Amino acid sequence: DAKTTQPPSMDCAEGRAANLPCNHSTISGNEYVYWYRQIHSQGPQYIIHGLKNNETNEMASLIITEDRKSSTLILPHATLRDTAVYYCIVRVVGEGKLIFGQGTELSVKP
Amino acid sequence: EAGVTQSPTHLIKTRGQQATLRCSPISGHTSVYWYQQALGLGLQFLLWYDEGEERNRGNFPPRFSGRQFPNYSSELNVNALELEDSALYLCASSLRQGTYEQYFGPGTRLTVT
Repeated sequence: DAKTTQPPSMDCAEGRAANLPCNHSTISGNEYVYWYRQIHSQGPQYIIHGLKNNETNEMASLIITEDRKSSTLILPHATLRDTAVYYCIVRVVGEGKLIFGQGTELSVKP
Repeated sequence: EAGVTQSPTHLIKTRGQQATLRCSPISGHTSVYWYQQALGLGLQFLLWYDEGEERNRGNFPPRFSGRQFPNYSSELNVNALELEDSALYLCASSLRQGTYEQYFGPGTRLTVT
């Protein structure tokens, strides 16, 4: 079973920041937080991952709370092409499989 | 840099037949993963291969099997196809076992009639 809880859906206006929350209250010390997204019927796309520090790359920022029980993925300027299902996954270092939950369906509207 | 490639794009089989799906990882990646995405069931982990060895498998019956070749490409075989095997089968690869992010291919859509 997935170890994360995400809202099933969210809307965001084009050009605004999209903030996607994820709860992982049972996360252990050797588990990373990963974010992937899946645009309709395509393969999932890796976005970002982190352990305890905030991370930023060209796609997004990842904010992890100090107690590591929750995190937020931030898309700073959402576009229509960011409409997708976003998955938050916790994963032990060295564990191959990704366990996907239901994710958050983000709809970016003009 | 070429991404993960999968073939065929679509595959139509009859119940009871066998299906073979193929995956070529990103150059330099040694780990290959297989996932099934059936309608209404979400993405489920199937198999993980690294350096030619099966490292882990998900909760699927033995008629789902595969292998990894010396060039790190991989094959997924599904025997005795059932209607509920109809799904999008996704392959992913990563740099080395377990640690790094996985990059996914476009998938093979298997339809069992």
